Amino acid sequence: EDQVTQSPEALRLQEGESSSLNCSYTVSGLRGLFWYRQDPGKGPEFLFTLYSAGEEKEKERLKATLTKKESFLHITAPKPEDSATYLCAVQANSGYALNFGKGTSLLVTP
Amino acid sequence: NAGVMQNPRHLVRRRGQEARLRCSPMKGHSHVYWYRQLPEEGLKFMVYLQKENIIDESGMPKERFSAEFPKEGPSILRIQQVVRGDSAAYFCASSPDSTYEQYFGPGTRLTVT
Repeated sequence: EDQVTQSPEALRLQEGESSSLNCSYTVSGLRGLFWYRQDPGKGPEFLFTLYSAGEEKEKERLKATLTKKESFLHITAPKPEDSATYLCAVQANSGYALNFGKGTSLLVTP
Repeated sequence: NAGVMQNPRHLVRRRGQEARLRCSPMKGHSHVYWYRQLPEEGLKFMVYLQKENIIDESGMPKERFSAEFPKEGPSILRIQQVVRGDSAAYFCASSPDSTYEQYFGPGTRLTVT
């Protein structure tokens, strides 16, 4: 059975303090790994898709990387507006559903 | 280009009533997915539809829940005889193809009293 585990559950950073969020996964044939951002009371906002080990993608202060067992979301010099819950999801070759982790709640303080 | 639209945004139902949740996909998207987010839990897949077809309903509860995506109009998620355990946020997502990323709507927050 596909499984996605995110750590830590919650993370508090000072503005400018870089860090990484982890997403460990098991899936029988990975079609894609997805990162989303979710603000309170809103729907998930798409950030990145990674398809194969070694792939990296960047967007502003965020950089996502992928290995055969896990993905990292690196946040460089975060700002308070980066505060949100970050969700990781995998899609298997055999299906259509996104299998989500429980997310990492990030708080960036000034 | 308008995003995924869902209505209503908030819905209150008494136990035993029916809830109808609507989803209009992004322009050009013909694939719709429904997910449910229970308090303290992650997003869980419910059903995947294309126009007039249910492709995968492996995440749908066997009873009281149904979904459709007619040729014309929005996709509908229907919950009959709601119970308190149905209280959750229901999200719709759409994509142009099953292999593309899914774009989510703002969700419908269902409260059963």
